[in-house]
Amino acid sequence: SQKIEQNSEALNIQEGKTATLTCNYTNYSPAYLQWYRQDPGRGPVFLLLIRENEKEKRKERLKVTFDTTLKQSLFHITASQPADSATYLCALVSGGYNKLIFGAGTRLAVHP
Amino acid sequence: KAGVTQTPRYLIKTRGQQVTLSCSPISGHRSVSWYQQTPGQGLQFLFEYFSETQRNKGNFPGRFSGRQFSNSRSEMNVSTLELGDSALYLCASSWGTSGSYTDTQYFGPGTRLTVL
Repeated sequence: SQKIEQNSEALNIQEGKTATLTCNYTNYSPAYLQWYRQDPGRGPVFLLLIRENEKEKRKERLKVTFDTTLKQSLFHITASQPADSATYLCALVSGGYNKLIFGAGTRLAVHP
Repeated sequence: KAGVTQTPRYLIKTRGQQVTLSCSPISGHRSVSWYQQTPGQGLQFLFEYFSETQRNKGNFPGRFSGRQFSNSRSEMNVSTLELGDSALYLCASSWGTSGSYTDTQYFGPGTRLTVL
């Protein structure tokens, strides 16, 4: 069956460290993979999109990798700050126009 | 530029009733997608509209329907509400570039529906 999985347990890290979140998928062949941030009571906010022919994408303190052989994407936040505390969702497009399939999300808590 | 707006933000209904939720996309965006978010199932795709036509649909029963108007505003309707329909309903807008399977999605704040 098709699955997209993220670490269900919260990730707790110290301020200044690098946070690494994992997204694994099964029985999909996505051309794109996206990462979103969601704060409590708010809608997700788009962060980064990576294409299947891109191994890595960066935006400021964020870095995403995409390994289609391992069927995995890693999302890194360097020099993390308490303001980075949120739930991070990975999503892939499957089944046509703008149909995003989301993982359950990983809650990140950055402690001062 | 104003973001995606959704009304109402909160709604309480009883089983068997119906509900209509509204979404106004970012100006210029022609695609509107709807998602249901629950603690158990996470974010699930309901449907997507582009230029008043439903282009894509998720695996939800026919009680869930939607439409899009010529100004790109969209509504979704849920009839014969069930307790399990309690959720955060999110809409997202994008340019809806013809021929592309994916655009950056801009989400609204959601409508929190509680069914009693």
